[in-house]
Amino acid sequence: EDQVTQSPEALRLQEGESSSLNCSYTVSGLRGLFWYRQDPGKGPEFLFTLYSAGEEKEKERLKATLTKKESFLHITAPKPEDSATYLCAVQAHSGTYKYIFGTGTRLKVLA
Amino acid sequence: DAGVIQSPRHEVTEMGQEVTLRCKPISGHDYLFWYRQTMMRGLELLIYFNNNVPIDDSGMPEDRFSAKMPNASFSTLKIQPSEPRDSAVYFCASSLAGNSPLHFGNGTRLTVT
Repeated sequence: EDQVTQSPEALRLQEGESSSLNCSYTVSGLRGLFWYRQDPGKGPEFLFTLYSAGEEKEKERLKATLTKKESFLHITAPKPEDSATYLCAVQAHSGTYKYIFGTGTRLKVLA
Repeated sequence: DAGVIQSPRHEVTEMGQEVTLRCKPISGHDYLFWYRQTMMRGLELLIYFNNNVPIDDSGMPEDRFSAKMPNASFSTLKIQPSEPRDSAVYFCASSLAGNSPLHFGNGTRLTVT
């Protein structure tokens, strides 16, 4: 069964304190791995798509990387406005286009 | 573009009542997804459509849930009769193609008392 596990569940950082969020996945053939950011009261907002092991994507203070079993979202010198829940989702090479989401990491960056 | 539009933003109803949630996808997007989000289970896919046709409804909890997409610009998710365990945030999302990123609406928070 396809599964996505994110860790940690919650993370508190001081402003400027870099860290990484983990997304481990089990899928029968990865079509794509997606990172989203979700602010309270809003829908998830797309950040990155990764398709193959070794691929990396960057956007401002965020960098996403992918291996055959997991993905990391690295946050460099975070700011309070980076506080949000970060969600990981995978899509498998199956007959359908289902996205399977992890339960997310709640990030709080303190000023 | 206005993005994915969902209505209502909040719905409070009593057990046994019918609830209808509405979604307008982004124009030109061929795929529409309905998700339910709870603290315990996160985001769960209920059903998705391609070109207005339901493709995978394996996540629909039971016969009390039904979804329709009568045209490319409108979809509904109906719960009849509603139960307290249906309380959650329901999200609609659309995508340009099957493997494209999802664009989410801001959800409908449903409370069933």
